[in-house]
Amino acid sequence: DQQVKQNSPSLSVQEGRISILNCDYTNSMFDYFLWYKKYPAEGPTFLISISSIKDKNEDGRFTVFLNKSAKHLSLHIVPSQPGDSAVYFCAAGYNNDMRFGAGTRLTVKP
Amino acid sequence: ETGVTQTPRHLVMGMTNKKSLKCEQHLGHNAMYWYKQSAKKPLELMFVYNFKEQTENNSVPSRFSPECPNSSHLFLHLHTLQPEDSALYLCASSSDRVNTEAFFGQGTRLTVV
Repeated sequence: DQQVKQNSPSLSVQEGRISILNCDYTNSMFDYFLWYKKYPAEGPTFLISISSIKDKNEDGRFTVFLNKSAKHLSLHIVPSQPGDSAVYFCAAGYNNDMRFGAGTRLTVKP
Repeated sequence: ETGVTQTPRHLVMGMTNKKSLKCEQHLGHNAMYWYKQSAKKPLELMFVYNFKEQTENNSVPSRFSPECPNSSHLFLHLHTLQPEDSALYLCASSSDRVNTEAFFGQGTRLTVV
């Protein structure tokens, strides 16, 4: 039962352009959402989060949007840089449970 | 360096072996977790410890046995594993409950032969 889905396994964008990573969830109980970035041979590192009482959270080049009615979450990276190339995981949680998506591999081309 | 250290980084074990994975954090966090990442699958939360007490066990087989002797250390004891248990095992910690920013270790790549 995959409650958090990232339907695009990969995304390729040009340096300087916008990267949009998408995530859908099915459980309306989720009240906290996070994005993690993972480089090869490293554990995931926290990027940005949003609680269910908000619909947008911004941190520098990274913005997370939450559409609760559509149960949809997106991460915007503007402008994209080659160092942003990594696998991005979205995660959703409530109480003591946390569910992750399968990840989207972002490649930013110079 | 996230402040969460896992050892060993790689482990190959036979199905009859007993081994343990170790995780250590000195971030002052009160919650620690074990996650499993199999190839092409999402991260799966296995165990949650809050203030050294296990608060969650997501239907994990008994051949995986966690231990949390103090809030800085977490172990995952392995015995009679199956080849399908081969995966990347990640430890994480956070300040309190699981729904907050977690700091992950680099993981242990486990291969069961």
